[in-house]
Amino acid sequence: GIQVEQSPPDLILQEGANSTLRCNFSDSVNNLQWFHQNPWGQLINLFYIPSGTKQNGRLSATTVATERYSLLYISSSQTTDSGVYFCAVEREYGGSQGNLIFGKGTKLSVKP
Amino acid sequence: GAGVSQSPSNKVTEKGKDVELRCDPISGHTALYWYRQRLGQGLEFLIYFQGNSAPDKSGLPSDRFSAERTGESVSTLTIQRTQQEDSAVYLCASSLVGQDYNSPLHFGNGTRLTVT
Repeated sequence: GIQVEQSPPDLILQEGANSTLRCNFSDSVNNLQWFHQNPWGQLINLFYIPSGTKQNGRLSATTVATERYSLLYISSSQTTDSGVYFCAVEREYGGSQGNLIFGKGTKLSVKP
Repeated sequence: GAGVSQSPSNKVTEKGKDVELRCDPISGHTALYWYRQRLGQGLEFLIYFQGNSAPDKSGLPSDRFSAERTGESVSTLTIQRTQQEDSAVYLCASSLVGQDYNSPLHFGNGTRLTVT
């Protein structure tokens, strides 16, 4: 099946710093989404971004489908950004359409 | 409108008992997913329903696990003869999927299952 690798696995930031999270995937995809899981376990969809660039406030994401990676940028980080960031992808071909596979996540801790 | 609703929010059961977990997706969402998340781990895909198509059951870990969905509404995940390794948070998500598009996944708050 498709492999999804996220880096770094852990990240500690000082409040106000910027960061870049990366998601590499092993096959062509037609669906890629970024999620934030807060410390209470709630999963919130950040971006639906199978290709191109999107921005939402301090967050932005870029997916380069031809090179099989996506980046999530967090600017001016705040303590409320803490949690785990997951990338999830769906294969474009070869069966299992609809099956969104998650990476292991990047655990972000933002210190005041 | 209402989001994805899961019940119960917490379930403690004895090893060997059966449990049933419920998910109410967002109204109008054609796709429904079940995932399992063990403590400190990522999300493990279990099963996917899309409209009237046959479900993708490729993630179910054993024949003790089964799931049903009534039309494009409620889904139940059943675990028979529970084992301690079944302890986890079971997450349900829904989305609107068409022939040429997908919409973002929306997750419920999960059911935390503890098998003693």
